[in-house]
Amino acid sequence: ELKVEQNPLFLSMQEGKNYTIYCNYSTTSDRLYWYRQDPGKSLESLFVLLSNGAVKQEGRLMASLDTKARLSTLHITAAVHDLSATYFCAVDSNSGYALNFGKGTSLLVTP
Amino acid sequence: KAGVTQTPRYLIKTRGQQVTLSCSPISGHRSVSWYQQTPGQGLQFLFEYFSETQRNKGNFPGRFSGRQFSNSRSEMNVSTLELGDSALYLCASSVGPKEYTEAFFGQGTRLTVV
Repeated sequence: ELKVEQNPLFLSMQEGKNYTIYCNYSTTSDRLYWYRQDPGKSLESLFVLLSNGAVKQEGRLMASLDTKARLSTLHITAAVHDLSATYFCAVDSNSGYALNFGKGTSLLVTP
Repeated sequence: KAGVTQTPRYLIKTRGQQVTLSCSPISGHRSVSWYQQTPGQGLQFLFEYFSETQRNKGNFPGRFSGRQFSNSRSEMNVSTLELGDSALYLCASSVGPKEYTEAFFGQGTRLTVV
């Protein structure tokens, strides 16, 4: 069974600080996705990582993928309140055509 | 460009009833997948359709079913509703080829079973 584990599950951080969210998965996959979800809203696609060593950045967020370690990271630089949301990583399932999601990391950025 | 549209946005049903949810994918997208999101279980895959064919199915009972029409619109049906079926049901569409399956999600249908 494919497992996707995120940590931490909850994160409270001050504005201006840096932090990293980790996503470990149990299958050999070279495709990993990061999504953001605001309360009561749908999932917004943040990053699509398609190969080992892939690194993508958008604003204060940077995602990377190490397929050998089966690990992806989402790094937050100089956090601002607008980044408060739940962040999910997801991996293609072994059986195909489906995403297996982690439990999500609930991020709260405080002044 | 219009996004993924799900209807209705909210539903309240009674135990034992059945419900049908609808999803219209992004124009040109031929793959539609469905997910159930609950606080306890998180996001779980229900099924995926491509060109009217179900390509994958998650680990849900037979009460959950779906279909896709020739215009790529999809419906999912839940029969004999149980309290535990209360959830946010999300539909996602993607272009279709396996090699690039970035999925774009709709706003979801919030189903409450009482």
